[in-house]
Amino acid sequence: GDSVTQMEGPVTLSEEAFLTINCTYTATGYPSLFWYVQYPGEGLQLLLKATKADDKGSNKGFEATYRKETTSFHLEKGSVQVSDSAVYFCALSLYNFNKFYFGSGTKLNVKP
Amino acid sequence: DTGVSQDPRHKITKRGQNVTFRCDPISEHNRLYWYRQTLGQGPEFLTYFQNEAQLEKSRLLSDRFSAERPKGSFSTLEIQRTEQGDSAMYLCASSLELPQETQYFGPGTRLLVL
Repeated sequence: GDSVTQMEGPVTLSEEAFLTINCTYTATGYPSLFWYVQYPGEGLQLLLKATKADDKGSNKGFEATYRKETTSFHLEKGSVQVSDSAVYFCALSLYNFNKFYFGSGTKLNVKP
Repeated sequence: DTGVSQDPRHKITKRGQNVTFRCDPISEHNRLYWYRQTLGQGPEFLTYFQNEAQLEKSRLLSDRFSAERPKGSFSTLEIQRTEQGDSAMYLCASSLELPQETQYFGPGTRLLVL
């Protein structure tokens, strides 16, 4: 079935370190891929998305490239800040009715 | 644009009681979704409306759960005879009716069943 697998957390980094959060997916058809972020005490917010193979989504210094050959959508940021501490969710949606499948989330802790 | 709102934000109830949650989507969005999120997990799809029509229900949605969107605007999710296993965050999202359109999420209703 359709699913998303992302690396388990928590991930703890020092400020200005490089971040990678791995995400792979299984899907029938051609999904769109998303990263959502959930800050403490807040709702899910869209971080970035990519709707077709080789597209790169980017926002707030975060990037992810839709890799169809490896069924991956890894999230990267060159230099994390304390304010990036949050839970990050990878998700896919299918064309039929835009139902979302989410990964289990990866908690990121950034220390000063 | 006030975003998606949900009410209440927190609900504590005793096992066996009925609870109802409300979701107000972004005004021009005709699609509305309900998800459930348990601690340490990502949201799981429950059901989906396009305007007032409920088009899909997950097998997670037992017969104790019912959702409505009577006028194609706000939606309610009712849980009857609550069980401790129903304790979770219930999330609502809305989107436009376009292929692969982004879903915008509300803050959620946290339910605790004692």
